[in-house]
Amino acid sequence: AQSVTQPDARVTVSEGASLQLRCKYSSSVTPYLFWYVQYPRQGLQLLLKYYSGDPVVQGVNGFEAEFSKSNSSFHLRKASVHWSDSAVYFCAVSISTNAYKVIFGKGTHLHVLP
Amino acid sequence: NSKVIQTPRYLVKGQGQKAKMRCIPEKGHPVVFWYQQNKNNEFKFLINFQNQEVLQQIDMTEKRFSAECPSNSPCSLEIQSSEAGDSALYLCASSPPNTGQLYFGEGSKLTVL
Repeated sequence: AQSVTQPDARVTVSEGASLQLRCKYSSSVTPYLFWYVQYPRQGLQLLLKYYSGDPVVQGVNGFEAEFSKSNSSFHLRKASVHWSDSAVYFCAVSISTNAYKVIFGKGTHLHVLP
Repeated sequence: NSKVIQTPRYLVKGQGQKAKMRCIPEKGHPVVFWYQQNKNNEFKFLINFQNQEVLQQIDMTEKRFSAECPSNSPCSLEIQSSEAGDSALYLCASSPPNTGQLYFGEGSKLTVL
């Protein structure tokens, strides 16, 4: 069975600092990997996705993530955060491109200090 | 801006009352999902549909939850007799074929007093 672990429930950084949000997964096969962001009182929006190929994928708003099969990880990074990046970030995995069963992590609440 | 439309955004019910939420998936997306997100941000998959047919659903042994996705009408999720533990954000998502990507609505926040 698949599982997703986001070890940091809350991360606080100062505006302009770099960011890494961690995600570890467990799957018997190489899964499809996603990062979603949820702003207050809104639904989730896709930041980026990994299916195959280049392990570093670029997303919206300057976010990128790196897939590591050896570490079973898909960490999210941003070189310089803005206060508007404050939100909850969810890592998700699926063993199918049909999204029949997407497993979400418990989320990391990012707080950016102005 | 979300193209998955959920209504209402907020609903408040007393225990034992019926609660109904609706979702219009994004055009061209054949698969529709319902998730329950609790106050700890944990997601619970409830049910999904493909072209009006149920694909998977949790074991709704209490039968208080029901959902449908008729053609040419909004999808809906209904709780027959609300309980305090049902208070949560109910998220609808749709998915285009062969992407694994979910497009979410803004959710319906249910509060059961």
